[in-house]
Amino acid sequence: GDSVTQMEGPVTLSEEAFLTINCTYTATGYPSLFWYVQYPGEGLQLLLKATKADDKGSNKGFEATYRKETTSFHLEKGSVQVSDSAVYFCALSDLLPTDSWGKFQFGAGTQVVVTP
Amino acid sequence: EAGVTQSPTHLIKTRGQQATLRCSPISGHTSVYWYQQALGLGLQFLLWYDEGEERNRGNFPPRFSGRQFPNYSSELNVNALELEDSALYLCASSLVLAGAAQETQYFGPGTRLLVL
Repeated sequence: GDSVTQMEGPVTLSEEAFLTINCTYTATGYPSLFWYVQYPGEGLQLLLKATKADDKGSNKGFEATYRKETTSFHLEKGSVQVSDSAVYFCALSDLLPTDSWGKFQFGAGTQVVVTP
Repeated sequence: EAGVTQSPTHLIKTRGQQATLRCSPISGHTSVYWYQQALGLGLQFLLWYDEGEERNRGNFPPRFSGRQFPNYSSELNVNALELEDSALYLCASSLVLAGAAQETQYFGPGTRLLVL
């Protein structure tokens, strides 16, 4: 079945540092890939997405490129701020009718802590 | 445009009781998804409803059930509550086009259930 693996946290960074969170996936169909962010005490917010190979999703300074050859969707930001402290989830959605159809496969989440 | 709303925000129950959680999707969305996020764990898919029918179900016991109403809002019912049911329950909604699940899910803020 489909699955998502992302790097374990917590990841602790200083403000203005470069952030990378690795995400790899396995899928039988043609998945769309997502990054969601969860701020403390809140639900999940869509950060960015990519629907096909080589697509780059971007939002709020974050970027991720859908790499089919390496089955990866790593999240990057060039200069983090304290306000970026949150838990980041990588996810995939398979649009084909498989046993994973209609549900997201989420990674375990990576906590990011940015210090001043 | 209003986002996904959930009620109540917090719910305290004792072991053996029943809990009912409610979700209203984004206007125009026909699919509702339920997830459980236990402390320290990732998101676990519970249920997917579309057009009033259960379309997919995660690996949870039958005491987790729900329904979707004609206005597309949804209820999640948890019977015979156990201590380990304490978690944040997240609802998400999406469009379904031509019988295929649209990929992006939009999340509500969640209901935090505490079982004593």
